[in-house]
Formats: sequence, C-alpha cells, structure tokens
Amino acid sequence: GAGVSQTPSNKVTEKGKYVELRCDPISGHTALYWYRQSLGQGPEFLIYFQGTGAADDSGLPNDRFFAVRPEGSVSTLKIQRTERGDSAVYLCASSLNGVYNEQFFGPGTRLTVL
Amino acid sequence: AQSVTQLDSQVPVFEEAPVELRCNYSSSVSVYLFWYVQYPNQGLQLLLKYLSGSTLVKGINGFEAEFNKSQTSFHLRKPSVHISDTAEYFCAVRTGGFKTIFGAGTRLFVKA
Repeated sequence: GAGVSQTPSNKVTEKGKYVELRCDPISGHTALYWYRQSLGQGPEFLIYFQGTGAADDSGLPNDRFFAVRPEGSVSTLKIQRTERGDSAVYLCASSLNGVYNEQFFGPGTRLTVL
Repeated sequence: AQSVTQLDSQVPVFEEAPVELRCNYSSSVSVYLFWYVQYPNQGLQLLLKYLSGSTLVKGINGFEAEFNKSQTSFHLRKPSVHISDTAEYFCAVRTGGFKTIFGAGTRLFVKA
C-alpha cells in the first residue's frame, strides 16, 4: 500500500517568505507527527496530532511555525517569515494510534531558505 | 528531560564483520527505546523497539539490541554486516508521552 508522502520534495525560498509543506499520511492512521532534521542531526520533534487536534505542539520553535490537520488526514506545516536557520529537512510520520504503534516516516521535504 | 547520545558518529567496518552501534540515554522515568535506519534518499524505517519484557530485542535484517537499565544503554548489534547495511542509524527514546527524542545518528559504512 501507499506510504507516507510529502510534497514538495524540495522547496527553495527567500528569507522572509511564507511556505507550506504538505504531508499525506497512511490511510487510517490517526496519529501524525512532524519533525525537523538539520544537517548532521537526528530528527527533532515539532508537533503531534491525534485526529484533527494538536495533542502536543511543544516542539514548535516559535510562533512563525504552525501546523493544521483540518480533516484528520492531510496535514500542512506552515512557516511564516522564513529565516535561513529554518533550512532543514522536514519529516512527517504517521501511526495507527497511541504510543506503542510504529511510526512510518515519509521521505521528507528539503527546505532551503536563501 | 530525556536525551540520547550516540557515541560514534561514524563506524567503518568490513563486510561480514560484526558491528555494534552504541546508544546511551538519560531519563528519570521508564522509557521506550527504538532504533531506526535511514538509507540514502529514503525515509526512516523502524529496525526494532523495546517496550517491556525481555531485554534482548530482535529486529529486521538480522539486527538486535539489548536494553541495559543499570547502564542506561541500548546498543545495536549485528553479527555479520553486508554492504547493503550501509546507512544512517538513529537511536530514539520515548517516555509516557508521544514525543520521541532522537540521537544525532551513526553512519555505518560497510566496506568490501
């Protein structure tokens, strides 16, 4: 079956611009996670959705970052007034439900802020 | 706060040799532990996980890991590696919530 997909695969933008990154989870997965992976680092937790609601957004670095999941499926990570330090690979993962279920990761979106 | 330390950033090894990738964690509460693998240009894939029970956990592709509570370690091992095992390996920890903390990764490079 289809895995987690993320679009675009690459995004180049200029400092100060607004970007949206999309994640399509595996069908039927109620849990969805966003991570950020900087060069040479492991993934860093950003936000977790259970259904439509953000159950834990403690990893969002500041108020320029926002994520939505209006229908409990597709999620969009939104970054306002991008900065060069936002450059990273943004990963999305989904799981059936709960703490014990395996997270399935998408291939990521590489964001470059010039 | 939880943290994960992967002690080696790179591990070169010859094909068919054994390998151990080291991982230490810090947490004041019970943890769930994971190893993920990331092949070039692919997403992270779960290798194995420790939730409870036996401290020796077997995963896919012949990998295994041992949870050592007294040493707060969760080292990954494989008795004989293949060229195809060349990848980045991430150790991760989760406590009772949903936030997973990842280590910085270990790049395993298998040489012919």
